[in-house]
Amino acid sequence: GAGVSQSPSNKVTEKGKDVELRCDPISGHTALYWYRQSLGQGLEFLIYFQGNSAPDKSGLPSDRFSAERTGGSVSTLTIQRTQQEDSAVYLCASSLTEGFPTDTQYFGPGTRLTVL
Amino acid sequence: AQKVTQAQTEISVVEKEDVTLDCVYETRDTTYYLFWYKQPPSGELVFLIRRNSFDEQNEISGRYSWNFQKSTSSFNFTITASQVVDSAVYFCALGGSARQLTFGSGTQLTVLP
Repeated sequence: GAGVSQSPSNKVTEKGKDVELRCDPISGHTALYWYRQSLGQGLEFLIYFQGNSAPDKSGLPSDRFSAERTGGSVSTLTIQRTQQEDSAVYLCASSLTEGFPTDTQYFGPGTRLTVL
Repeated sequence: AQKVTQAQTEISVVEKEDVTLDCVYETRDTTYYLFWYKQPPSGELVFLIRRNSFDEQNEISGRYSWNFQKSTSSFNFTITASQVVDSAVYFCALGGSARQLTFGSGTQLTVLP
């Protein structure tokens, strides 16, 4: 079946603009995760969803970052007033459940964000 | 807090050599999972294996094998008879009571022809 898909694959924006990144999880997966991968920081957790609710937003770096998930499926990560330090690859993952211990997370191809 | 350490930043081997990637972890959870992911140049993280904290049985799958030792908090990964297509960044990750994965910094493996 289809894997996790993300769009756009690449996004170049100017400092101060807002951007929206989209993630479409594997069909039937109830848990969805956002991570960020940058050269200096490695792979960092941002937020995860169980259904449409976000029990853990602890990784969001600032209030410029927000995310939502609708219909228990597609998720959108929004970055407002982008800064150059937001440049990174944003990765989305999904898992069948958010079971404990962690269920296997399957990753999408990522969105490469460049803030000029 | 959880932590994963991959001390090897870069490894370069010649094709057909065996190579072992090291991973050491820290956690206060008594139940947890360990993972290895591969990130080829295309950029997508590919799941390779998951091991739970109660299963220390080591496994061999084709050219891949894994050595999990709770006593030393290590979860090492070995590729036998490496091939050029194995060139990638390999990440070790830990999942536990916090649903998100904690990743190591990755090991860049280059297999030379």
